[in-house]
Amino acid sequence: DQQVKQNSPSLSVQEGRISILNCDYTNSMFDYFLWYKKYPAEGPTFLISISSIKDKNEDGRFTVFLNKSAKHLSLHIVPSQPGDSAVYFCAAMWGNTPLVFGKGTRLSVIA
Amino acid sequence: DARVTQTPRHKVTEMGQEVTMRCQPILGHNTVFWYRQTMMQGLELLAYFRNRAPLDDSGMPKDRFSAEMPDATLATLKIQPSEPRDSAVYFCASGLEGGPLHFGNGTRLTVT
Repeated sequence: DQQVKQNSPSLSVQEGRISILNCDYTNSMFDYFLWYKKYPAEGPTFLISISSIKDKNEDGRFTVFLNKSAKHLSLHIVPSQPGDSAVYFCAAMWGNTPLVFGKGTRLSVIA
Repeated sequence: DARVTQTPRHKVTEMGQEVTMRCQPILGHNTVFWYRQTMMQGLELLAYFRNRAPLDDSGMPKDRFSAEMPDATLATLKIQPSEPRDSAVYFCASGLEGGPLHFGNGTRLTVT
């Protein structure tokens, strides 16, 4: 049973526009959420996180929104750049439990 | 910039052979994780350690996989005997408890 779901396997966006990547979770115990970015032949790299006590966290062009009642989070990238083309993984955890990852969304930013 | 180091980067082997993957976590990190990436399952947790003690290896096929941390600078994942369905990219990650994980660049395993 997938506890973290990324229902869109891929997304294409034009350079300069907004990219919105979505993630849903089922485990109400999760209290810390992260986004990782992965380029081919490299390991995932940490991008941004949010605690369940917040509903928004912003870091430059990247903003993560958390809707606890809907068990939904999203990553917004504005403006999107070609270098943002990668696979994005949503992950969640609670307490000291290991991160649980979604299957990823492949973002293509078209110049 | 500290990094998690994994060796080898690529491994091609025949079914039935033993495979050993190694990981050097970031110095000072007290948690180490092994994940496997496949097209179908995404990133699956295989095993993890806290302060070198194994905490959970329920994600691994016990009869063929084993994970150890002989010391704080080395984690190993062994498969014996290997099977074609083990073909995947295996990632090691380390971190401080409750914080983000830092991943290595993975070992791409192909079992023919």
